[in-house]
Amino acid sequence: ETGVTQSPTHLIKTRGQQVTLRCSSQSGHNTVSWYQQALGQGPQFIFQYYREEENGRGNFPPRFSGLQFPNYSSELNVNALELDDSALYLCASTRFSGPVSTDTQYFGPGTRLTVL
Amino acid sequence: KQEVTQIPAALSVPEGENLVLNCSFTDSAIYNLQWFRQDPGKGLTSLLLIQSSQREQTSGRLNASLDKSSGRSTLYIAASQPGDSATYLCAVRPGGNTGKLIFGQGTTLQVKP
Repeated sequence: ETGVTQSPTHLIKTRGQQVTLRCSSQSGHNTVSWYQQALGQGPQFIFQYYREEENGRGNFPPRFSGLQFPNYSSELNVNALELDDSALYLCASTRFSGPVSTDTQYFGPGTRLTVL
Repeated sequence: KQEVTQIPAALSVPEGENLVLNCSFTDSAIYNLQWFRQDPGKGLTSLLLIQSSQREQTSGRLNASLDKSSGRSTLYIAASQPGDSATYLCAVRPGGNTGKLIFGQGTTLQVKP
């Protein structure tokens, strides 16, 4: 158990809908990252939030957006869902102190999103 | 552009064997490399983290090495057990002002009793 929690566990949506996924970071951590993992693939970096601001983004369109709250929990929002958005969405938390931060990232159990 | 490759994609061994999983990366400018374990449909569990200045890390039956100059890391598992069956992922942190990780596609290991 890493102390990182995600909700919901599973979610089924239809194409064109919007979805919000939630993540609670481990105590003492100030940074949350989101990853998308398609079946049989490694996770792909979506974006990272540090001190409530986006701090780096991967190759994902603007319909993927996020928020980080003062308690360092985070949301991932995906608008206009497409079939290819079906994946396991993972969040990871760490205590980030800048470019030379060396802390391990701790991952939550993930949310399985299915888009029909 | 940093790319991470893991070979083999799948591996099946009898219980008790020692084994090596391989990870290669194209850009040696990394801050650290991390090995994770993932059980089917689950999140990632961190196994070992090697800083760019280190050559290896050990935890129990696991030993990870890092050779930045050649862009390679190996994860050595001693005396494998059926409970080691899982997908093993390596990830590099390329540095910069984020903690972004770049993952390989993983090696799925099956240890047969």
